[in-house]
Amino acid sequence: KAGVTQTPRYLIKTRGQQVTLSCSPISGHRSVSWYQQTPGQGLQFLFEYFSETQRNKGNFPGRFSGRQFSNSRSEMNVSTLELGDSALYLCASSWGLAGGIEQFFGPGTRLTVL
Amino acid sequence: GESVGLHLPTLSVQEGDNSIINCAYSNSASDYFIWYKQESGKGPQFIIDIRSNMDKRQGQRVTVLLNKTVKHLSLQIAATQPGDSAVYFCAEAMNTGNQFYFGTGTSLTVIP
Repeated sequence: KAGVTQTPRYLIKTRGQQVTLSCSPISGHRSVSWYQQTPGQGLQFLFEYFSETQRNKGNFPGRFSGRQFSNSRSEMNVSTLELGDSALYLCASSWGLAGGIEQFFGPGTRLTVL
Repeated sequence: GESVGLHLPTLSVQEGDNSIINCAYSNSASDYFIWYKQESGKGPQFIIDIRSNMDKRQGQRVTVLLNKTVKHLSLQIAATQPGDSAVYFCAEAMNTGNQFYFGTGTSLTVIP
């Protein structure tokens, strides 16, 4: 069974631009969560989608948004990029239901904002 | 909000020794915990999980202990190998939801 995949693996953008990242979950998984990881900050939860609906949301500004498609693939978008948005963006998928919430991570997208 | 913290940011052990990585959590309502291993340039890799109705769970060379009284979680790695060198994260969640809270991580270095 294929794991979680993320594209692209690396991105370089400049301040003010916007970016879209993509995540394909493990087949059958309906929940996709997004995290931002920066040095010294650990993993910070962005949001979680389940069956095309945002079910949970972390404490990030509205510049960070996401969506999920009917095939459970998910995208996240960051608008008006700031230098501080440089990070590793990780997505994780799970069945999403009680008793099946083990999350499995993708390799991440490394975003650099110049 | 909930917080998950690690007692030691770095840990160095000799190859072959046992490693113990600790984690404190603050939300007594959390009932599901996971340990992840993250190697440089890779996403976190699921190691082992435990639910709040258990005190101990064993995997291959790893054991997770949960002490709900003091809200403490630990990961024990037996016969630590160089390939175990990585950053280890604990995470907590409530089994009814899917929002995980992660600690800042402990960097484990295995000395050959």
